Amino acid sequence: DAGVIQSPRHEVTEMGQEVTLRCKPISGHDYLFWYRQTMMRGLELLIYFNNNVPIDDSGMPEDRFSAKMPNASFSTLKIQPSEPRDSAVYFCASSLLGLQYNSPLHFGNGTRLTVT
Amino acid sequence: AQTVTQSQPEMSVQEAETVTLSCTYDTSESDYYLFWYKQPPSRQMILVIRQEAYKQQNATENRFSVNFQKAAKSFSLKISDSQLGDAAMYFCAYRPLGNQFYFGTGTSLTVIP
Repeated sequence: DAGVIQSPRHEVTEMGQEVTLRCKPISGHDYLFWYRQTMMRGLELLIYFNNNVPIDDSGMPEDRFSAKMPNASFSTLKIQPSEPRDSAVYFCASSLLGLQYNSPLHFGNGTRLTVT
Repeated sequence: AQTVTQSQPEMSVQEAETVTLSCTYDTSESDYYLFWYKQPPSRQMILVIRQEAYKQQNATENRFSVNFQKAAKSFSLKISDSQLGDAAMYFCAYRPLGNQFYFGTGTSLTVIP
């Protein structure tokens, strides 16, 4: 199992540009989560999906952020337009929460986003 | 509200010694799961240990063990025979039988050679 795969690993962009982060969850997992990690705010849940359907997006900071999961093996997090305060590490994580309630979160390696 | 509190922002331990990281959580649920994750400087989030609330026996994984006190809503992590590779940020996480995971703010562990 290759684990959760995120791309790119690093992203540097200028303010105002569109940024797209990508995630491939572990095959068979039915939940997918997007987190943002900063020194100031720690680990924040942005949005999560169940069977490709967004369940809770209350953590999405504002309309500039959007996330999609067109199928069970792919999700994107888009920021448009990007701002310097969006600089953070963005994690994607997946989990199997059907009958296996003790299934932990499996994290990708994260994308470090820097907006200049 | 579901909250997880790690009251120790930073901890240090001498190599080969034992250290305990504390975690408390707030919940009205009776069934739930608890986890400890380790984040080394590589930033990868690694599962260290998990505990089911319905199990009275404390979970153990090699040098890592937990002290789970359900009534006190406490879930501490004990690292025995600390090694340099244990240096990392440690996060406590709580998950009720729903969907979300709730994380603490983390404890930064330094291992002194």
